[in-house]
Amino acid sequence: EVQLVESGGGLVQPGGSLRLSCAASGFTFSSYWMSWVRQAPGKGLEWVANIKQDGSEKYYVDSVKGRFTISRDNAQNSLYLQVNSLRAEDTAVYYCARHPDYGTSFDYWGQGTLVTVAS
Amino acid sequence: QSALTQPRSVSGSPGQSVTISCTGTSSDVGGYTYVSWYQQHPGKAPKLMIYDVSKRPSGVPDRFSGSKSGNTASLIISGLQAEDEADYYCCSYAGNYIWVFGGGTKLTVL
Repeated sequence: EVQLVESGGGLVQPGGSLRLSCAASGFTFSSYWMSWVRQAPGKGLEWVANIKQDGSEKYYVDSVKGRFTISRDNAQNSLYLQVNSLRAEDTAVYYCARHPDYGTSFDYWGQGTLVTVAS
Repeated sequence: QSALTQPRSVSGSPGQSVTISCTGTSSDVGGYTYVSWYQQHPGKAPKLMIYDVSKRPSGVPDRFSGSKSGNTASLIISGLQAEDEADYYCCSYAGNYIWVFGGGTKLTVL
C-alpha cells in the first residue's frame, strides 16, 4: 500500500524557517517524480514544487523561488521541503504528492502538515 | 501561473447529473491533454478522480467522467450520490514542468 506521511510543520515567526519531510513507503520511491502542494486555510490547492526521480531537476512556483528548496533522499525514501524567509501568506497545509509513472497528474497524497506563520 | 477558473459552487439532487467547468488558457488547459480532477472531503487529502482529461483511475466509479473543449475542461458527475458532496479541483500541466490548479468548486447534494 502506497503511503506518504508528512511531518515538520508548526508555528514559526515571519522570516523563519522549517524543514518539511515526507516519508514514502509501499512503492519504489526512486522511480517517481514527487511534488509538494499546499492549501491555505479555507482556500484552494496550489502546486509548490516538484523534483525528478534522481533529484537532478527541480521546479518551483514563482511565489516561492529563492525561498523554498525541494530535495529528496532515495536511500531514505524521503522527500523534503526547506522553507525559508516565511511570510504570513505561506500559512497552509503542505501535502506531498506522487506523480504516477505516466507523469500527468498526482495519484497519491499524504495527509499534510500544517505550517503557520505568525508572530 | 494564474489559477484556473472554476465556479465556486454547484448543486444537484440525488440521481441527477452535474457538470463542473474549469477554464484556463492556451498555455495550460488548451495546450495539453493533461487535465486532472481531484475530490476533497473536509479535513481529508485530495483524491485523484480523472486524469489525462477523461481517464479514470482504478476504483473510481464510472459515474465520474471528464471532457475538454478548447481552453475549458469539464467534470461530469452522473447519478449523484450523497457521498459525492465535496470540493472538486481541476489541475492542468502548464509547460516547463509547472502545474496549475483551479480555485475549487463546492458540490452540494441537495
